[in-house]
Amino acid sequence: GVTQSPTHLIKTRGQQVTLRCSSQSGHNTVSWYQQALGQGPQFIFQYYREEENGRGNFPPRFSGLQFPNDSSELNVNALELDDSALYLCASSFSRGEQFFGPGTRLTVL
Amino acid sequence: KNEVEQSPQNLTAQEGEFITINCSYSVGISALHWLQQHPGGGIVSLFMLSSGKKKHGRLIATINIQEKHSSLHITASHPRDSAVYICAVPPPYGGATNKLIFGTGTLLAVQP
Repeated sequence: GVTQSPTHLIKTRGQQVTLRCSSQSGHNTVSWYQQALGQGPQFIFQYYREEENGRGNFPPRFSGLQFPNDSSELNVNALELDDSALYLCASSFSRGEQFFGPGTRLTVL
Repeated sequence: KNEVEQSPQNLTAQEGEFITINCSYSVGISALHWLQQHPGGGIVSLFMLSSGKKKHGRLIATINIQEKHSSLHITASHPRDSAVYICAVPPPYGGATNKLIFGTGTLLAVQP
């Protein structure tokens, strides 16, 4: 399945954070979503074969990487209080069914 | 108007009841997802379907592409079914990504 690390994370405003995702074996597409408390997930961006191929309404301080070994990262620079949320990654094979990880809960103080 | 709408928003049922959650969407899609999220938890994919009906245990999902409507049914509901159920669709054909557009969610509480 899809795994994410860490499970929980506490940072302070202005810091930088890296969240990690391990895709299901054989999947070539990973999507990242941000879910604020009480809200639905919002699409951050998607990577296909290690290239970003779509982005939601998030600023450039949100960036990502996808590696050939089924792992990927979400990096957020200059953290703001509003970045506190559950961050979800989902992997798929191209446009197939997406499988979600358990999420990383980020708290920015 | 949201592209994906669910009803009801909140649902309380007694254990054993048959439950139906509805989803309507306004965009042309290739497939629809039903997802489950327990409070404070991650998202679990229940179904991805593009036509007809799928069944997994006590869960049944149906879709009518022409009417742009899908339903999720839970038979013999149990307290452990209590969760938020979300329907989600990818963008229409031609989109660069298969990002999901999420419905508003249905909060289900099954009481013993």
